[in-house]
Amino acid sequence: SAVISQKPSRDICQRGTSLTIQCQVDSQVTMMFWYRQQPGQSLTLIATANQGSEATYESGFVIDKFPISRPNLTFSTLTVSNMSPEDSSIYLCSVGTIAGSYNEQFFGPGTRLTVL
Amino acid sequence: GNSVTQMEGPVTLSEEAFLTINCTYTATGYPSLFWYVQYPGEGLQLLLKATKADDKGSNKGFEATYRKETTSFHLEKGSVQVSDSAVYFCALSDLGAAGNKLTFGGGTRVLVKP
Repeated sequence: SAVISQKPSRDICQRGTSLTIQCQVDSQVTMMFWYRQQPGQSLTLIATANQGSEATYESGFVIDKFPISRPNLTFSTLTVSNMSPEDSSIYLCSVGTIAGSYNEQFFGPGTRLTVL
Repeated sequence: GNSVTQMEGPVTLSEEAFLTINCTYTATGYPSLFWYVQYPGEGLQLLLKATKADDKGSNKGFEATYRKETTSFHLEKGSVQVSDSAVYFCALSDLGAAGNKLTFGGGTRVLVKP
């Protein structure tokens, strides 16, 4: 399995500001994803980060709020823009591999964001 | 569309008790099924998986069997330890209908007391 790191591990931010979260993988991967986990909740997929093209966003998430970059096959960033307290969550990146007929995903340690 | 339903927690157990967490799914294709575990303050770790009907995934004493007839993938452990206290997520991946996405259940918090 891939080793995934995220920076920062946690942050406390003021409303109206923006935070960029980095995700680094120790090997080249085809698929990278960004999830949000609100307090006490399950994971919600924000978008699929596509290398060399615009990210694919899920319903309810837009590029202006969550711009994503994927400059190469080992790195991606997620920016949480114009933050409000409702954005307080854990943000996780994951990488996916296709092994035969199924998709297996491995997750980074997450970034715990608190917005005041 | 795809969906995963798992029993709500919290589930509180004593050490060495038997643990079952129910998980049922709805999928338009033929999914692969997963259990992920999230220990306090950490990210998600893949616990076990099963990719076809009647497959049994197992790891760290946990087991789950892919039951196509009942669309279920219940997680079991015969004797839990305090270190098993975590949140457990059931998930499915359906390459055919939903691309490479994972669909998660709501999570079940398990607390094991000494």
